[in-house]
Amino acid sequence: DQQVKQNSPSLSVQEGRISILNCDYTNSMFDYFLWYKKYPAEGPTFLISISSIKDKNEDGRFTVFLNKSAKHLSLHIVPSQPGDSAVYFCAASAPNTGNQFYFGTGTSLTVIP
Amino acid sequence: NAGVTQTPKFRVLKTGQSMTLLCAQDMNHEYMYWYRQDPGMGLRLIHYSVGEGTTAKGEVPDGYNVSRLKKQNFLLGLESAAPSQTSVYFCASSFKGYGYTFGSGTRLTVV
Repeated sequence: DQQVKQNSPSLSVQEGRISILNCDYTNSMFDYFLWYKKYPAEGPTFLISISSIKDKNEDGRFTVFLNKSAKHLSLHIVPSQPGDSAVYFCAASAPNTGNQFYFGTGTSLTVIP
Repeated sequence: NAGVTQTPKFRVLKTGQSMTLLCAQDMNHEYMYWYRQDPGMGLRLIHYSVGEGTTAKGEVPDGYNVSRLKKQNFLLGLESAAPSQTSVYFCASSFKGYGYTFGSGTRLTVV
């Protein structure tokens, strides 16, 4: 049973516009969330995180929003750049679980020049 | 500073053969993990370790064994490979309460 879901397998956006990637989760115990970026033939790399005590976290062009009541988080990339083209995974963890993260299935973002 | 290093990067096995994947990290992380990535399935946790000498099962542990004899190394073993174990395997490490640093992956094909 998938506890973290990314319902959009792919997304295409024009360069300079906003990219919005969505993620839903089912486990109300999750309290820490991450976004990872993955290029082909490479391991995922950490992008941005958010704790459940916050509803927003910003890092440059990347902002993550958390809506705990809806069990939903989103990643906004503004402005989108061709180098942002990659697969994005969201991940979530609950306390006292050995720092286990549950990953979504990923969204492949293509930024069109 | 290498981070997380996985060996080998590619391997082809015949059904029934055994092999060990090695993960090494030089960041003094306590926690280490093995994930597999399959199309449409995302990353699924196989086994993990919260310290030297400890291991625990993740979501999909069947057919795999692990060992953490040294803090910096986490080994994933396949005793009798099956075609269903064809996948890309990622090792990761972390401090408690922080996100992971991943290796670059091992692409395993079982024929």
